[in-house]
Amino acid sequence: QKEVEQDPGPLSVPEGAIVSLNCTYSNSAFQYFMWYRQYSRKGPELLMYTYSSGNKEDGRFTAQVDKSSKYISLFIRDSQPSDSATYLCAMNQVGDDKIIFGKGTRLHILP
Amino acid sequence: KAGVTQTPRYLIKTRGQQVTLSCSPISGHRSVSWYQQTPGQGLQFLFEYFSETQRNKGNFPGRFSGRQFSNSRSEMNVSTLELGDSALYLCASSLASNTGELFFGEGSRLTVL
Repeated sequence: QKEVEQDPGPLSVPEGAIVSLNCTYSNSAFQYFMWYRQYSRKGPELLMYTYSSGNKEDGRFTAQVDKSSKYISLFIRDSQPSDSATYLCAMNQVGDDKIIFGKGTRLHILP
Repeated sequence: KAGVTQTPRYLIKTRGQQVTLSCSPISGHRSVSWYQQTPGQGLQFLFEYFSETQRNKGNFPGRFSGRQFSNSRSEMNVSTLELGDSALYLCASSLASNTGELFFGEGSRLTVL
């Protein structure tokens, strides 16, 4: 079983829809959870950073962590064509430099 | 504030050659990590340097090596290139070690023929 599983997509949704992106993981020691966005031919950029369980909201983006289910989600409200990108989940343990990334989900927002 | 700068952006090599990639982190950032990104495997951790010391290493063969200089700039080297080394190599910097708050460069795209 891979440490982090993420559906590669592509996921196509109409503009204005709510998008739900998800990852599951197997290592219960993970405590830091991140979402990165990567546009074509660019490096990933950090979108959301959360510690342990719970929700975190930033504008149209909400990150959710459920440690009991080993499941994390990213919700995008009022999706825009500019949100079209690959979204990567990432996580690591306390005190560990090694960050484990999901393979990324390609998202297309259709105008 | 300037972002993470990686050079060269694109390069083509042949099997058996070696390559050196360079990364200049954000000013003040002391941690530099390197990742390999391929369509099949996604982002895979290569190694992380903090204050010139390698803190962690991923599961890659010894052909992959790196170093960090006193000004925090980092280089990675791949010797005896194989076709499977074709990938986007990403460098990321952060203020401290053990944090997921990474700032990535745009990457160096290596093609091995």
